[in-house]
Amino acid sequence: QQQVKQSPQSLIVQKGGISIINCAYENTAFDYFPWYQQFPGKGPALLIAIRPDVSEKKEGRFTISFNKSAKQFSLHIMDSQPGDSATYFCAAGADYKLSFGAGTTVTVRA
Amino acid sequence: KAGVTQTPRYLIKTRGQQVTLSCSPISGHRSVSWYQQTPGQGLQFLFEYFSETQRNKGNFPGRFSGRQFSNSRSEMNVSTLELGDSALYLCASSLGSLTYEQYFGPGTRLTVT
Repeated sequence: QQQVKQSPQSLIVQKGGISIINCAYENTAFDYFPWYQQFPGKGPALLIAIRPDVSEKKEGRFTISFNKSAKQFSLHIMDSQPGDSATYFCAAGADYKLSFGAGTTVTVRA
Repeated sequence: KAGVTQTPRYLIKTRGQQVTLSCSPISGHRSVSWYQQTPGQGLQFLFEYFSETQRNKGNFPGRFSGRQFSNSRSEMNVSTLELGDSALYLCASSLGSLTYEQYFGPGTRLTVT
Protein backbone atom coordinates (compact mmCIF):
# COMPACT_ATOMS: atom_id res chain seq x y z
CA GLN A 1 0.00 0.00 0.00
CA GLN A 2 1.57 3.21 -1.24
CA GLN A 3 1.79 5.67 1.65
CA VAL A 4 2.71 8.51 -0.68
CA LYS A 5 0.73 9.02 -3.89
CA GLN A 6 2.55 10.83 -6.70
CA SER A 7 1.22 12.27 -9.96
CA PRO A 8 1.54 12.48 -12.88
CA GLN A 9 3.37 9.30 -13.86
CA SER A 10 5.10 11.18 -16.66
CA LEU A 11 5.16 14.63 -18.19
CA ILE A 12 6.68 16.37 -21.16
CA VAL A 13 7.62 20.04 -20.97
CA GLN A 14 9.25 22.43 -23.40
CA LYS A 15 12.61 23.95 -22.60
CA GLY A 16 12.06 27.00 -20.44
CA GLY A 17 8.68 25.75 -19.21
CA ILE A 18 7.53 24.81 -15.71
CA SER A 19 7.27 21.20 -14.53
CA ILE A 20 4.88 20.50 -11.66
CA ILE A 21 4.74 17.21 -9.75
CA ASN A 22 2.27 16.56 -6.97
CA CYS A 23 2.29 14.24 -3.97
CA ALA A 24 -0.24 13.41 -1.27
CA TYR A 25 0.05 11.51 1.99
CA GLU A 26 -2.20 10.28 4.78
CA ASN A 27 0.11 9.55 7.69
CA THR A 28 0.27 12.65 9.89
CA ALA A 29 3.37 11.26 11.60
CA PHE A 30 5.46 12.20 8.55
CA ASP A 31 7.69 15.14 9.45
CA TYR A 32 10.13 15.42 6.57
CA PHE A 33 9.39 15.68 2.86
CA PRO A 34 12.28 15.41 0.37
CA TRP A 35 12.42 15.24 -3.38
CA TYR A 36 14.94 13.10 -5.23
CA GLN A 37 16.14 13.13 -8.83
CA GLN A 38 17.31 9.94 -10.46
CA PHE A 39 19.07 9.43 -13.78
CA PRO A 40 19.24 5.99 -15.45
CA GLY A 41 21.89 3.80 -13.87
CA LYS A 42 22.38 6.15 -10.92
CA GLY A 43 21.15 6.31 -7.35
CA PRO A 44 18.59 8.97 -6.36
CA ALA A 45 20.11 12.37 -5.59
CA LEU A 46 18.59 14.63 -2.92
CA LEU A 47 17.27 17.78 -4.57
CA ILE A 48 15.40 19.72 -1.93
CA ALA A 49 13.47 18.97 1.26
CA ILE A 50 10.96 20.64 3.55
CA ARG A 51 9.63 20.27 7.08
CA PRO A 52 5.87 20.65 7.79
CA ASP A 53 6.28 23.94 9.65
CA VAL A 54 7.26 25.67 6.38
CA SER A 55 4.86 26.26 3.47
CA GLU A 56 7.41 26.89 0.75
CA LYS A 57 11.10 26.39 0.11
CA LYS A 58 13.07 27.47 -2.92
CA GLU A 59 16.52 26.40 -4.04
CA GLY A 60 17.58 27.72 -7.40
CA ARG A 61 15.04 26.60 -10.02
CA PHE A 62 13.41 24.10 -7.65
CA THR A 63 10.57 25.02 -5.29
CA ILE A 64 8.60 22.85 -2.86
CA SER A 65 5.11 23.98 -1.90
CA PHE A 66 3.65 22.31 1.18
CA ASN A 67 0.01 22.28 2.31
CA LYS A 68 -0.19 20.68 5.72
CA SER A 69 -3.98 20.82 6.07
CA ALA A 70 -4.49 19.15 2.68
CA LYS A 71 -1.60 16.73 3.27
CA GLN A 72 -0.17 17.58 -0.11
CA PHE A 73 3.13 18.86 -1.40
CA SER A 74 4.50 19.61 -4.82
CA LEU A 75 7.72 20.24 -6.71
CA HIS A 76 7.97 23.05 -9.24
CA ILE A 77 10.88 23.07 -11.68
CA MET A 78 11.18 26.51 -13.22
CA ASP A 79 12.89 27.23 -16.55
CA SER A 80 13.14 23.49 -17.27
CA GLN A 81 16.28 22.42 -19.14
CA PRO A 82 17.04 19.25 -21.16
CA GLY A 83 19.45 18.24 -18.39
CA ASP A 84 16.46 18.09 -16.01
CA SER A 85 15.11 15.08 -17.93
CA ALA A 86 15.04 12.41 -15.22
CA THR A 87 12.75 10.57 -12.85
CA TYR A 88 11.66 12.51 -9.78
CA PHE A 89 10.53 10.92 -6.54
CA CYS A 90 8.77 12.54 -3.64
CA ALA A 91 9.15 10.94 -0.23
CA ALA A 92 7.94 11.33 3.32
CA GLY A 93 9.95 10.55 6.43
CA ALA A 94 9.04 9.18 9.84
CA ASP A 95 10.56 6.65 12.27
CA TYR A 96 13.95 6.74 10.54
CA LYS A 97 12.57 5.65 7.19
CA LEU A 98 11.49 7.27 3.94
CA SER A 99 8.34 6.23 2.08
CA PHE A 100 8.58 7.03 -1.60
CA GLY A 101 6.08 7.95 -4.26
CA ALA A 102 6.00 5.93 -7.47
CA GLY A 103 8.02 8.48 -9.43
CA THR A 104 7.45 10.91 -12.30
CA THR A 105 9.43 10.73 -15.51
CA VAL A 106 10.08 14.25 -16.77
CA THR A 107 11.12 14.82 -20.37
CA VAL A 108 12.24 18.30 -21.36
CA ARG A 109 12.03 18.94 -25.11
CA ALA A 110 14.57 21.35 -26.57
CA LYS B 1 33.89 14.22 0.79
CA ALA B 2 33.52 10.88 -0.90
CA GLY B 3 29.95 9.74 -1.44
CA VAL B 4 28.26 6.53 -0.45
CA THR B 5 29.98 3.54 -2.03
CA GLN B 6 28.41 0.17 -2.71
CA THR B 7 30.03 -3.06 -3.74
CA PRO B 8 29.68 -4.94 -5.92
CA ARG B 9 27.92 -2.81 -8.52
CA TYR B 10 26.55 -5.79 -10.45
CA LEU B 11 25.83 -9.33 -9.39
CA ILE B 12 24.29 -12.38 -11.04
CA LYS B 13 23.13 -15.20 -8.80
CA THR B 14 21.10 -18.37 -9.17
CA ARG B 15 17.85 -19.13 -7.36
CA GLY B 16 18.48 -20.63 -3.95
CA GLN B 17 21.87 -19.01 -3.47
CA GLN B 18 22.59 -16.29 -0.97
CA VAL B 19 24.19 -12.89 -1.50
CA THR B 20 25.90 -10.22 0.62
CA LEU B 21 25.98 -6.59 -0.43
CA SER B 22 28.21 -3.97 1.12
CA CYS B 23 27.80 -0.26 1.79
CA SER B 24 30.27 2.35 3.02
CA PRO B 25 28.56 5.55 4.20
CA ILE B 26 29.76 9.11 3.82
CA SER B 27 32.46 9.86 6.36
CA GLY B 28 30.87 10.98 9.62
CA HIS B 29 27.47 9.50 8.83
CA ARG B 30 26.29 7.01 11.40
CA SER B 31 22.97 5.94 9.92
CA VAL B 32 22.67 3.55 7.00
CA SER B 33 19.41 2.61 5.29
CA TRP B 34 18.74 0.04 2.60
CA TYR B 35 16.10 0.21 -0.11
CA GLN B 36 15.01 -2.11 -2.88
CA GLN B 37 14.07 -0.55 -6.22
CA THR B 38 12.08 -2.45 -8.85
CA PRO B 39 10.01 -1.24 -11.83
CA GLY B 40 6.86 -2.74 -10.34
CA GLN B 41 7.13 -1.83 -6.66
CA GLY B 42 9.29 1.28 -6.85
CA LEU B 43 11.53 2.20 -3.93
CA GLN B 44 10.82 0.18 -0.83
CA PHE B 45 12.46 0.51 2.58
CA LEU B 46 14.27 -2.57 3.86
CA PHE B 47 15.91 -1.49 7.13
CA GLU B 48 17.85 1.25 8.90
CA TYR B 49 20.82 1.00 11.23
CA PHE B 50 22.34 3.53 13.59
CA SER B 51 25.31 2.76 15.80
CA GLU B 52 25.03 -0.95 15.00
CA THR B 53 21.36 -1.06 16.07
CA GLN B 54 18.44 -1.67 13.75
CA ARG B 55 15.93 1.09 14.40
CA ASN B 56 13.33 0.22 11.79
CA LYS B 57 12.54 -2.59 9.40
CA GLY B 58 10.37 -2.70 6.31
CA ASN B 59 7.86 -5.31 5.27
CA PHE B 60 10.22 -7.89 3.78
CA PRO B 61 10.58 -11.60 4.59
CA GLY B 62 13.18 -12.80 7.06
CA ARG B 63 15.41 -13.85 4.15
CA PHE B 64 16.49 -10.23 4.07
CA SER B 65 18.82 -9.24 6.88
CA GLY B 66 21.41 -6.63 7.57
CA ARG B 67 23.98 -5.46 10.02
CA GLN B 68 26.15 -2.47 10.74
CA PHE B 69 29.69 -2.45 11.97
CA SER B 70 31.36 -0.15 14.48
CA ASN B 71 32.86 1.93 11.63
CA SER B 72 29.28 2.49 10.31
CA ARG B 73 29.80 0.30 7.25
CA SER B 74 26.85 -1.94 6.58
CA GLU B 75 26.06 -5.19 4.85
CA MET B 76 22.79 -6.72 3.79
CA ASN B 77 22.25 -10.39 3.13
CA VAL B 78 19.58 -12.15 1.13
CA SER B 79 19.34 -15.89 1.60
CA THR B 80 17.58 -18.45 -0.59
CA LEU B 81 17.31 -16.07 -3.52
CA GLU B 82 14.12 -15.96 -5.58
CA LEU B 83 13.61 -14.60 -9.08
CA GLY B 84 11.59 -11.74 -7.59
CA ASP B 85 14.62 -10.54 -5.64
CA SER B 86 16.11 -9.20 -8.86
CA ALA B 87 16.34 -5.47 -8.22
CA LEU B 88 18.56 -2.48 -7.65
CA TYR B 89 19.57 -2.42 -3.99
CA LEU B 90 20.31 1.06 -2.76
CA CYS B 91 22.12 2.12 0.35
CA ALA B 92 21.68 5.59 1.82
CA SER B 93 23.53 7.27 4.64
CA SER B 94 22.71 10.17 6.90
CA LEU B 95 24.14 11.79 9.98
CA GLY B 96 21.62 9.91 12.11
CA SER B 97 19.89 11.34 15.17
CA LEU B 98 16.78 13.11 13.86
CA THR B 99 17.84 14.16 10.40
CA TYR B 100 16.37 12.40 7.41
CA GLU B 101 18.77 13.86 4.85
CA GLN B 102 19.66 10.61 3.20
CA TYR B 103 22.31 10.41 0.49
CA PHE B 104 22.16 7.43 -1.81
CA GLY B 105 24.90 5.33 -3.33
CA PRO B 106 24.84 4.11 -6.94
CA GLY B 107 23.27 0.81 -5.97
CA THR B 108 24.00 -2.86 -6.57
CA ARG B 109 22.14 -4.38 -9.51
CA LEU B 110 21.24 -7.97 -8.51
CA THR B 111 19.97 -10.37 -11.14
CA VAL B 112 18.65 -13.75 -10.03
CA THR B 113 18.41 -16.43 -12.72
